[in-house]
Amino acid sequence: AQSVTQPDIHITVSEGASLELRCNYSYGATPYLFWYVQSPGQGLQLLLKYFSGDTLVQGIKGFEAEFKRSQSSFNLRKPSVHWSDAAEYFCAVVASGGSYIPTFGRGTSLIVHP
Amino acid sequence: EAQVTQNPRYLITVTGKKLTVTCSQNMNHEYMSWYRQDPGLGLRQIYYSMNVEVTDKGDVPEGYKVSRKEKRNFPLILESPSPNQTSLYFCASKMGLGHQNSPLHFGNGTRLTVT
Repeated sequence: AQSVTQPDIHITVSEGASLELRCNYSYGATPYLFWYVQSPGQGLQLLLKYFSGDTLVQGIKGFEAEFKRSQSSFNLRKPSVHWSDAAEYFCAVVASGGSYIPTFGRGTSLIVHP
Repeated sequence: EAQVTQNPRYLITVTGKKLTVTCSQNMNHEYMSWYRQDPGLGLRQIYYSMNVEVTDKGDVPEGYKVSRKEKRNFPLILESPSPNQTSLYFCASKMGLGHQNSPLHFGNGTRLTVT
């Protein structure tokens, strides 16, 4: 079965600084990978996804993520963080060759200082 | 507008009083699921449904029931709520078999407090 690890429970950055949120997965083949964002008081919203092709994917709100097969990672990045990016971020994986039930990481809470 | 609608958004109840949280989606999705979110534990799946009349347990099903009589609705039932079911609940849906790369669509959540 697949699993997802988000090693950082909290990340604090200053507004305007760059951001990288880590996500590592465990799965035998190439999975489908997703990043979701949960703003305060809201449900989760899809930021971006990867399922094939270019390993650098662009998402909404200026986010991007890079799939690295050799490291089993799908880290989320943003070059310049805005205060409105403060939220909870979840990485998720779906097995490409079986059940389509997503497995979520525990989430990373992003705090943005002015 | 494509959406997943949960009701109510907030619910305070007492131990043992049966309650239902409704979930409806308008995207004709086969797959629907319930999650609970607790601090430090992330999202944990309660139950899911692959299609009408097909439901299955997730990681934390104890104390919950679901039904899927129609494609669009997937209510979550707590027959006898207890304080450890105080949590934030999310319903989600997605396209089903053959669409592994389709994302989940989430409702806005139901914050349940059981006293």
